[in-house]
Amino acid sequence: EPEVTQTPSHQVTQMGQEVILRCVPISNHLYFYWYRQILGQKVEFLVSFYNNEISEKSEIFDDQFSVERPDGSNFTLKIRSTKLEDSAMYFCASTLDSSYNSPLHFGNGTRLTVT
Amino acid sequence: QKEVEQDPGPLSVPEGAIVSLNCTYSNSAFQYFMWYRQYSRKGPELLMYTYSSGNKEDGRFTAQVDKSSKYISLFIRDSQPSDSATYLCAMRNYGQNFVFGPGTRLSVLP
Repeated sequence: EPEVTQTPSHQVTQMGQEVILRCVPISNHLYFYWYRQILGQKVEFLVSFYNNEISEKSEIFDDQFSVERPDGSNFTLKIRSTKLEDSAMYFCASTLDSSYNSPLHFGNGTRLTVT
Repeated sequence: QKEVEQDPGPLSVPEGAIVSLNCTYSNSAFQYFMWYRQYSRKGPELLMYTYSSGNKEDGRFTAQVDKSSKYISLFIRDSQPSDSATYLCAMRNYGQNFVFGPGTRLSVLP
């Protein structure tokens, strides 16, 4: 079964450094998402992306965050200057389209640790 | 009032028990409902999805939606230790983003 893949599985970085989290969505999916889950807390929406542009973003997704689809397969989340509170699991997800019958499919996440 | 609420648990049941997991929501515009299972340090895995009131069955899992009460449930029959995980409900309206509940942690004891 097709799946969303994310790399790396764990990223450790120092405060103030830039990180890039990478995702390969399911190949025929058109909508891409990033979610965040701080340890022990709920899954939180960051941003959705369609047709090479952001379609919606949350309050969490401030100017320190950016997303890009640099080629036909990868979807990346960049955090420019990491803060301690950015430590979390970051999940990439994709859907086929925006219809009712199109659930989110998640990757296994990147655990980001900011020291 | 939070948009989607779930009892966080933990919920502990013996192997073979029937498990009932529930979510309530406040936004009557939600039309599409999903249940995800999340093992520790893994991504949420889609279990069930439905967009109509009533029941939908898939193996040991039954999803139930009551839009008039704004209440959804997931039933697990013959629960197994491998069902031990956190269960997340999620919902959306057409064209809008998915909203997740905080999750219920389930432990099935052998």
